[in-house]
Order: sequence, then C-alpha cells, then structure tokens
Amino acid sequence: IQMTQSPSSLSASVGDRVTISCRASQSIDRSLNWYQQKPGKAPNLLIHGASTLQTGVPSRFSGSGSGTDFTLTISSLQPEDFANYYCHQTYSTWWSFGQGTKVEIK
Amino acid sequence: EVQLLESGGGLVQPGGSLRLSCAASGFTFSSYAMSWVRQAPGKGLEWVSSISGNGGDIYYADSVKGRSTISRDNSKKTLYLQLNSLRAEDTAVYYCAKVVYIRNDLVDYWGQGTLVTVSS
Repeated sequence: IQMTQSPSSLSASVGDRVTISCRASQSIDRSLNWYQQKPGKAPNLLIHGASTLQTGVPSRFSGSGSGTDFTLTISSLQPEDFANYYCHQTYSTWWSFGQGTKVEIK
Repeated sequence: EVQLLESGGGLVQPGGSLRLSCAASGFTFSSYAMSWVRQAPGKGLEWVSSISGNGGDIYYADSVKGRSTISRDNSKKTLYLQLNSLRAEDTAVYYCAKVVYIRNDLVDYWGQGTLVTVSS
C-alpha cells in the first residue's frame, strides 16, 4: 500500500492553522497513525486510528479521515511544532509510511 | 518506564553482515509484537520487519526479504535483526519499535536508534 503525503514541506508562522494530507493507494479503513519527528530524535506518536489523540499530546493536534484520505491538523502552530510529520498505515501487515512533511518556520 | 536500547550498528563493507540487538525493559516483552523501522540519512521512515510476541508470525519488507532475519529471545527480553549481503542503500538509522494494538497496530515506543553504515 502506497502512502502519499502532501505537501512535502510547508512554511508557516506561529499561530497558523496547518493541514497535512495523506492518501492511501487503497482503502485502509481507519488504520492510520501520525508521528512527529524532530532532528536526531526518534518519532513520537501523535494520532492513532485516524483520529484518536495519543495520551499527553496537546489538543491542538487532530486527525480525521477514513478509507483513502486522511488529514492531520494543527489548529494553532507553536514553536515546538516545527518538525517532520509522517503518516503510517497498518491496515496491511506490510506497513508503509508516507514520505513525510517538513513544517518550517516562515 | 519503557526502554528500548539498540546496539550492534557500525561500519560494514558491502556484502558484509551485522546483527542488531534491542534490549527491552519496563513492559512484559513477550506480550507485544516488535518491529524494526529504518531511516536513511535525510530520508523518511521505512518499515523493515515485524515479529509477533511469541515469534510465530514474521514479516519483511521486500527491500530486505531474503537478506534479513528478525528474531526475539523472550527470556532475555531482546529483539534481533540479522542483516546479510549488505548494500549501500541499507545505510540508515535502525529503530526498534514496540507495537501495540488499539483497533489498529501502532508504535507507542521507539528506541533511540543505531546507525548502520555500509561503505568500502
């Protein structure tokens, strides 16, 4: 299953609303997770099951979608949110990740 | 506290082999599936392999199938990845990942990663 994220990168300001899209090459129901990764660090789980916020993750992060189209939204971008974001499907036992979206400071 | 500590990375020549290890603590190791995920320098995440809690179910990405073997020793709470016939494109940080199922599989804990560099 191929996962395609868009955009590959974006520039935004603190306080902006940011939306990242992820499309699957076939239906994956709601078996979709989102991770944040900062340089030199391991990924950190943000959202699982397409829309469930992981414990401890700020409520400005939200996820939506099902089937083939998914969205990660950051309602009000904070300085600590500048990072790379990856979608991850586990509908198939052979997992796959999106290519990533880099969120940069404008 | 869950901890995953990888080791075994390093510089290896093309065609060579390495065995990566991941020592787990802070959870009942045998109750959870585990996976390896890698990240080439400056690139995205790539799933490598997964193994069920009892080791009975094993899956590999096409990019490593036939060249890699995932295994686990539940008595030692350790996950392994044997990498053979290494190629330059196998150069990456290899992360050990704890898998939990909550309506779908997800990784709730990651190790810090171990770097494998394949070069002559």
